[in-house]
Amino acid sequence: SQLAEENSWALSVHEGESVTVNCSYKTSITALQWYRQKSGKGPAQLILIRSNEREKRNGRLRATLDTSSQSSSLSITATRCEDTAVYFCATDHNNAGAKLTFGGGTRLTVRP
Amino acid sequence: ETAVFQTPNYHVTQVGNEVSFNCKQTLGHDTMYWYKQDSKKLLKIMFSYNNKQLIVNETVPRRFSPQSSDKAHLNLRIKSVEPEDSAVYLCASSPGKDTQYFGPGTRLLVL
Repeated sequence: SQLAEENSWALSVHEGESVTVNCSYKTSITALQWYRQKSGKGPAQLILIRSNEREKRNGRLRATLDTSSQSSSLSITATRCEDTAVYFCATDHNNAGAKLTFGGGTRLTVRP
Repeated sequence: ETAVFQTPNYHVTQVGNEVSFNCKQTLGHDTMYWYKQDSKKLLKIMFSYNNKQLIVNETVPRRFSPQSSDKAHLNLRIKSVEPEDSAVYLCASSPGKDTQYFGPGTRLLVL
């Protein structure tokens, strides 16, 4: 079973709307990261939120972390067509190592 | 701005052939990775190297072998490819255990 997973496989919104992608994980973490992968590119990190943080912002992006329910959300406000991508959460379960476990991804389509 | 470079972009080959993929990073990071991404976008780590030393080796078939000449280069060789090896292979680097920087990937198609 996956150690991290997003809760929706695909989402579709119209430009200008807000959207939230959710993620749940199964074991304790030191940090959770959100990545975005556009078509034909590798994933790029959007936000890193540590286990002692509850919220982190990056421009139109806002990530939350709830360690009690082992869940996180990534919200995008005022979406643009260029936000169309696959969004992944990734968790670090190993304090000593450099290993991330990625969720299966949520495909977001922003329509004009 | 690309700082993790992968070649080739795309490779088509026949079952049983050997292939090699190259990865170079110009970020000065100590740690590099190979991931396999399947058609459903699922990302699975295969190998991780820290300063030319293997530190993570997930359960992958023996036909896969990583090769590192220095901390800026991490190549991947697949001996005798099989149809299930068709995927996108992503290389990444990181300065520690936080942010990973990915290359654009090498798409492999095994006929």
